[in-house]
Amino acid sequence: NAGVTQTPKFQVLKTGQSMTLQCAQDMNHNSMYWYRQDPGMGLRLIYYSASEGTTDKGEVPNGYNVSRLNKREFSLRLESAAPSQTSVYFCASTGTVGAADTQYFGPGTRLTVL
Amino acid sequence: RKEVEQDPGPFNVPEGATVAFNCTYSNSASQSFFWYRQDCRKEPKLLMSVYSSGNEDGRFTAQLNRASQYISLLIRDSKLSDSATYLCVVNFYSTLTFGKGTMLLVSP
Repeated sequence: NAGVTQTPKFQVLKTGQSMTLQCAQDMNHNSMYWYRQDPGMGLRLIYYSASEGTTDKGEVPNGYNVSRLNKREFSLRLESAAPSQTSVYFCASTGTVGAADTQYFGPGTRLTVL
Repeated sequence: RKEVEQDPGPFNVPEGATVAFNCTYSNSASQSFFWYRQDCRKEPKLLMSVYSSGNEDGRFTAQLNRASQYISLLIRDSKLSDSATYLCVVNFYSTLTFGKGTMLLVSP
């Protein structure tokens, strides 16, 4: 049981390049999320998927697209990377602790856009 | 008013000290509450849930005050390994809102 996995761990892009961040979970969770974390800003939600086949915008969706490929996988795509997208990206899925939903995070992708 | 507010710290304490963090939240209809721990350059990990009656997990005690809309975390007998950032998290219909975290530094 690997939990939530993310690839790649590190990436350097040039402005204008595109890339896809991959996320997979093996906990049979329905909901999955993409966050970015910047110094002094905390975690900000980019997109989420409440179930297979559905996606919704979060707080900071501009410049990103997502695909919920199946129940396990949720990818994040940067079509034309910008320096403002330099950040640490975390994928998460929702499970239940007691009677409450909470989130389990992947190890993160550290992205630098030059 | 920010949804979840925390003192960013850092809180510098010696080993063995007791330290407490508070967190306030703005949505009075929030349903569940958590403390997460985040080590430097790592992902956030669930530390403990926070229940209305208060709850303990070893050296850690969490309390919730719904009337005043705040959550607290008490760490007793601090260890060097407790050095991390502690995130307060509030759940409203499966939408989690994270505070920016409070940094704790425990020194020998």
